[in-house]
Amino acid sequence: GENVEQHPSTLSVQEGDSAVIKCTYSDSASNYFPWYKQELGKRPQLIIDIRSNVGEKKDQRIAVTLNKTAKHFSLHITETQPEDSAVYFCAASKGGGSNYKLTFGKGTLLTVNP
Amino acid sequence: GAGVSQSPRYKVAKRGQDVALRCDPISGHVSLFWYQQALGQGPEFLTYFQNEAQLDKSGLPSDRFFAERPEGSVSTLKIQRTQQEDSAVYLCASSLGSVNEQFFGPGTRLTVL
Repeated sequence: GENVEQHPSTLSVQEGDSAVIKCTYSDSASNYFPWYKQELGKRPQLIIDIRSNVGEKKDQRIAVTLNKTAKHFSLHITETQPEDSAVYFCAASKGGGSNYKLTFGKGTLLTVNP
Repeated sequence: GAGVSQSPRYKVAKRGQDVALRCDPISGHVSLFWYQQALGQGPEFLTYFQNEAQLDKSGLPSDRFFAERPEGSVSTLKIQRTQQEDSAVYLCASSLGSVNEQFFGPGTRLTVL
């Protein structure tokens, strides 16, 4: 089955700096890659996603890049703010048939220091 | 509109007890997923429904776990004879279709003593 590796497990940055989180996946058939933000005790919330037919997607301060050949994708957050502090999860899904399930990485605890 | 809701939010069970966890998906969402999230880990897939049909239950850890969605809306995850290793947050997610964003509920935190 699919395996998603996520790095780093913790990341501390100063307010205003950029943060980058990287994930690799094992199944070349995966075609949907969402990123979720989870604050302590709260539900995971989608912040951005990308499908395998594009290489990059941007939404204000957040961007995701995908390299299908290398089977890795990354989350970039620019101009970080204290409210960006949370655990971020990457995930992968094959889509199609009954393979819609998401396989998650282990998460990255991002701390933005004011 | 209302998001995905789950009840109870917290459940404490003694080892060996049966528990039932409820998920109310977003109205009209065809797909419903259950995930298990251990402390400090990412969610792990348990089972998937498309309407009332359970199309994938490959993630259920043992035959003590059972899920149903009889009318294609509300779903219940039942755990029989709970064990300490069942302690986790159980998350439910729904999506409009098979390739759309999954919206998560707040989860039920199960603690087995």
